[in-house]
Amino acid sequence: GAVVSQHPSRVICKSGTSVKIECRSLDFQATTMFWYRQFPKQSLMLMATSNEGSKATYEQGVEKDKFLINHASLTLSTLTVTSAHPEDSSFYICSAREALAGGADTQYFGPGTRLTVL
Amino acid sequence: GQSLEQPSEVTAVEGAIVQINCTYQTSGFYGLSWYQQHDGGAPTFLSYNALDGLEETGRFSSFLSRSDSYGYLLLQELQMKDSASYFCAVETTGNNRKLIWGLGTSLAVNP
Repeated sequence: GAVVSQHPSRVICKSGTSVKIECRSLDFQATTMFWYRQFPKQSLMLMATSNEGSKATYEQGVEKDKFLINHASLTLSTLTVTSAHPEDSSFYICSAREALAGGADTQYFGPGTRLTVL
Repeated sequence: GQSLEQPSEVTAVEGAIVQINCTYQTSGFYGLSWYQQHDGGAPTFLSYNALDGLEETGRFSSFLSRSDSYGYLLLQELQMKDSASYFCAVETTGNNRKLIWGLGTSLAVNP
């Protein structure tokens, strides 16, 4: 199956710093990538949809100036958490959409990035 | 609003069969997906149904009834390693196709 990588896998930072997370589709081209956040024992919450070459579409309640998304190529999207605070501590997961035969799409997920803000 | 309902917890023993149901109410529907997530890990794609009927992949099968807005994931010959959270997710239609997620079902497989 398709492989999506995510880097870093874990990051600990001080409050007020910015953190960049990379998401790469390794063996397919992804015109669309998604960024999720997941708190412990909860479901995934979609933050934004990232389209190659255009601005990201943010979900309601997600601050676009705080969570900067760049999808510069068909295999790379980045999420930057600016001026991170302890409440931003979470598990951030990206996924990439692969178009399958018959028109069906599926999303393949990266391994996630666990962010801890002190 | 858009919502998916699935049981929060299920417990079973090794070798048994478990069915996890999912009912959905969404403004558009393209297909129903199932994902598995182990503690500390990312979701892993299990199956996808766009049309009514049963899809079988090894020990796992998934069923969809579009008229009933209902689907299920069937896990057979349960193994300890199947202990995980299972999420159903609806792919919505439109220009901004995305997944709407259920809250997840925590499956505990006991010896």
